[in-house]
Amino acid sequence: AQKITQTQPGMFVQEKEAVTLDCTYDTSDPSYGLFWYKQPSSGEMIFLIYQGSYDQQNATEGRYSLNFQKARKSANLVISASQLGDSAMYFCAMRAYNFNKFYFGSGTKLNVKP
Amino acid sequence: DGGITQSPKYLFRKEGQNVTLSCEQNLNHDAMYWYRQDPGQGLRLIYYSQIVNDFQKGDIAEGYSVSREKKESFPLTVTSAQKNPTAFYLCASSIGGSGPDTQYFGPGTRLTVL
Repeated sequence: AQKITQTQPGMFVQEKEAVTLDCTYDTSDPSYGLFWYKQPSSGEMIFLIYQGSYDQQNATEGRYSLNFQKARKSANLVISASQLGDSAMYFCAMRAYNFNKFYFGSGTKLNVKP
Repeated sequence: DGGITQSPKYLFRKEGQNVTLSCEQNLNHDAMYWYRQDPGQGLRLIYYSQIVNDFQKGDIAEGYSVSREKKESFPLTVTSAQKNPTAFYLCASSIGGSGPDTQYFGPGTRLTVL
């Protein structure tokens, strides 16, 4: 069975500071992908970053990086230099390569304070 | 520009009426998905399709129906059997198959049943 857990329902961060959003996952499949999505108040789900289970290096996309710790089964999202526009819901997701379903966590609501 | 379109953005219906939500993609993706999101909650999978003329039930398929007659289109019908249809509905697509895959989302449809 696949499962994604996000334990932080809400978080606050000061503008220009870095913030880490936690995500742990559970799967028995050796091959899988991990994803982070941003959902602003408009509702659209915006793809941010992807990490493959066999990737040796942590994924980075601009101010976003994914802290992948395979042994701990964690895939935390790090946002550097937070901006007011980063205020949104953030969802962690996973897909085992041999399955056709994506599994989502319950989300973390991030509020960036000026 | 390639992407996923959903229409309408807002939809109001009377209780007991069936309603169909549109989802179209021009990304040449084989896989398409429908999710339901309630306020402050995560995504729940309604139906998904890996190929034309084939689809599978997700976690909350009761009261919903879909069709996949064309690769580009995956409409969702919310039937009168759905007990609480008021929600935000998101359509997504991905390349599909086994191996690395990333899911992309449409802008969503907010359905309100009066």
